[in-house]
Amino acid sequence: AQKITQTQPGMFVQEKEAVTLDCTYDTSDQSYGLFWYKQPSSGEMIFLIYQGSYDEQNATEGRYSLNFQKARKSANLVISASQLGDSAMYFCAMREVGPPQGGSEKLVFGKGTKLTVNP
Amino acid sequence: DVKVTQSSRYLVKRTGEKVFLECVQDMDHENMFWYRQDPGLGLRLIYFSYDVKMKEKGDIPEGYSVSREKKERFSLILESASTNQTSMYLCASSWDSLSLEQYFGPGTRLTVT
Repeated sequence: AQKITQTQPGMFVQEKEAVTLDCTYDTSDQSYGLFWYKQPSSGEMIFLIYQGSYDEQNATEGRYSLNFQKARKSANLVISASQLGDSAMYFCAMREVGPPQGGSEKLVFGKGTKLTVNP
Repeated sequence: DVKVTQSSRYLVKRTGEKVFLECVQDMDHENMFWYRQDPGLGLRLIYFSYDVKMKEKGDIPEGYSVSREKKERFSLILESASTNQTSMYLCASSWDSLSLEQYFGPGTRLTVT
C-alpha cells in the first residue's frame, strides 16, 4: 500500500528565507509520480510541482524545487525566498503509474504541513 | 484556464437528509474525483470516475455514492447524512490517465447537525 508521510505539522519561516518541507513515501512500484500542492486559506488546492520516479533531475518551478532522493524515498519541497503569500497548507501526494484505467490517476495525500511566513 | 466549480461553498444539513454535492468542469476532462479533507488526516479519496457512467471506489466510499451522467458533471450523494460526514469536500478533475496534475474546485464545507 502506498503511504505518504509529512512529519512537520507546522513550520515557520522568516520572509525572504528558504524553507524545506519534508515528505517521505513508501511504495513498491518502480514507476510513480510525486506532487506538491498548496492550499491557501481560501481552500482551493493549487498544483505546484511534479517529479517522476524516472526523472534524473530534480524538478523546479520558479521558487519551488523538489529535492528528490529516490534511495531514501524522500521528495522534499524547497521554497526559496519565502513570501507572505506562501503561508498555506502544503500537501505532498503520490500517484502510481498503472494501467490506463482503473486507478492509475489516484493520488494518495499526506496529512499536510502548515507553513507560516513571518514578516 | 481550467475551471472546476462546486455548487456550494458552505452547506448545513440535518442528520438523515439526502445531500447532493455537485461538481462541474469545463475542460472536457475524462477523470473526476471526490475527496474529503479533515484536519490531521489530509485528503482522502471517496470515489472517482474515468468516464461517463463509470465509477470506482476510493479509500473511504462507505456512506457515499456518486453519479456521472455527463462528462462535465460529477455528483457526490450522501444518502442519509450523518454527523461524521461533516467535512470539507473537494472535487477534482484531470485530462486522462497520463496527465500530471489534478485541478481542484474551491471545496464545499458541509456541516451535518
